[in-house]
Amino acid sequence: GAVVSQHPSWVICKSGTSVKIECRSLDFQATTMFWYRQFPKQSLMLMATSNEGSKATYEQGVEKDKFLINHASLTLSTLTVTSAHPEDSSFYICSARVPAKNIQYFGAGTRLSVL
Amino acid sequence: AQRVTQPEKLLSVFKGAPVELKCNYSYSGSPELFWYVQYSRQRLQLLLRHISRESIKGFTADLNKGETSFHLKKPFAQEEDSAMYYCALLRDDKIIFGKGTRLHILP
Repeated sequence: GAVVSQHPSWVICKSGTSVKIECRSLDFQATTMFWYRQFPKQSLMLMATSNEGSKATYEQGVEKDKFLINHASLTLSTLTVTSAHPEDSSFYICSARVPAKNIQYFGAGTRLSVL
Repeated sequence: AQRVTQPEKLLSVFKGAPVELKCNYSYSGSPELFWYVQYSRQRLQLLLRHISRESIKGFTADLNKGETSFHLKKPFAQEEDSAMYYCALLRDDKIIFGKGTRLHILP
């Protein structure tokens, strides 16, 4: 199957700093990528849809100024958690949709710990 | 609201016994449904989707529109089936997940 790479796999940062997470589709071009958040022992919650060359669309209740998404190329989307606080600590997972198919491939996730 | 519901948080089954993971959906129109699996320390991966009607690792799932269900079944559980299973629904081109069921296979 298609491969989605997510980097870093784990990041620890101080409160107030910003953290960038990258999501890459390695062997296919993805015009659409998705960002999810997963709290411990809970399901994945869709945060936003990242569209190549246009603005991301955010789910209700997700602060777009807090979670900046950039999809500058067909193989890369980035999520920047701005002015991170301890409550932002979570597992962030990206996925990329194979064009013309409703199949998503997932990254391995990024564990963010904000001190 | 269009969503999927997985009523069981945890399901423990003896090795060799049949497995059924429940999923009910709420959707107006023809739903497109999936089962995803997450093994320990691994990424989420697609197990099967209802439109392909295939069997993966011995698992099958049939869409029952009358009962609005898409239960995942396997006739004989294996220890390597222990994992987290998520039922998911395609809504507005986005995949929405249920809360998940942890399947624990007992030796």
